[in-house]
Amino acid sequence: EADIYQTPRYLVIGTGKKITLECSQTMGHDKMYWYQQDPGMELHLIHYSYGVNSTEKGDLSSESTVSRIRTEHFPLTLESARPSHTSQYLCASSPGGQGAMNTEAFFGQGTRLTVV
Amino acid sequence: LAKTTQPISMDSYEGQEVNITCSHNNIATNDYITWYQQFPSQGPRFIIQGYKTKVTNEVASLFIPADRKSSTLSLPRVSLSDTAVYYCLVGPNQAGTALIFGKGTTLSVSS
Repeated sequence: EADIYQTPRYLVIGTGKKITLECSQTMGHDKMYWYQQDPGMELHLIHYSYGVNSTEKGDLSSESTVSRIRTEHFPLTLESARPSHTSQYLCASSPGGQGAMNTEAFFGQGTRLTVV
Repeated sequence: LAKTTQPISMDSYEGQEVNITCSHNNIATNDYITWYQQFPSQGPRFIIQGYKTKVTNEVASLFIPADRKSSTLSLPRVSLSDTAVYYCLVGPNQAGTALIFGKGTTLSVSS
């Protein structure tokens, strides 16, 4: 069973508010990811990290920021929420290093965000 | 990660075997082939991974020919609960790179 947790599961918030989506994993994985996905659509990578103090932007410009101060924690922050940010946000992690295991990613339950 | 091509959608009936093929012509020597399954409103779930020949687990089988330029995910005797999106990923996921999911194949199983 995957040990990766996201909170909150659901969030409804007003336009302009600052929000932080939490993601934690207890597997000691080096790599962590944030994806955004609308119903029936593709997964879009918005941020990833391959270790502490490393963060990279993905292929989707999402106006969000991330931090990786501890291996197990990878929060996503929206400084000013807009209705266009309404979506599902999925956090994942995978082992680092070489070989087969680092393509086996584990996903959290997701956060469904609605900005009104 | 190497570019992959797979069908956008497939339809099947309960009890049939379903084969989903993924093309990856630019696969590198140290790349693995990994398949994920995603149900609505959930994150993708790893189902099977292989390097060459055949791999089988309790969920599926993965067939990889000698040239490794394609792979086939085989789901035996599907049920309604196998309706999902299936993603094929190829690569070693080296440091500094990320897991990119394409459009995947939407499998619809009917009774």
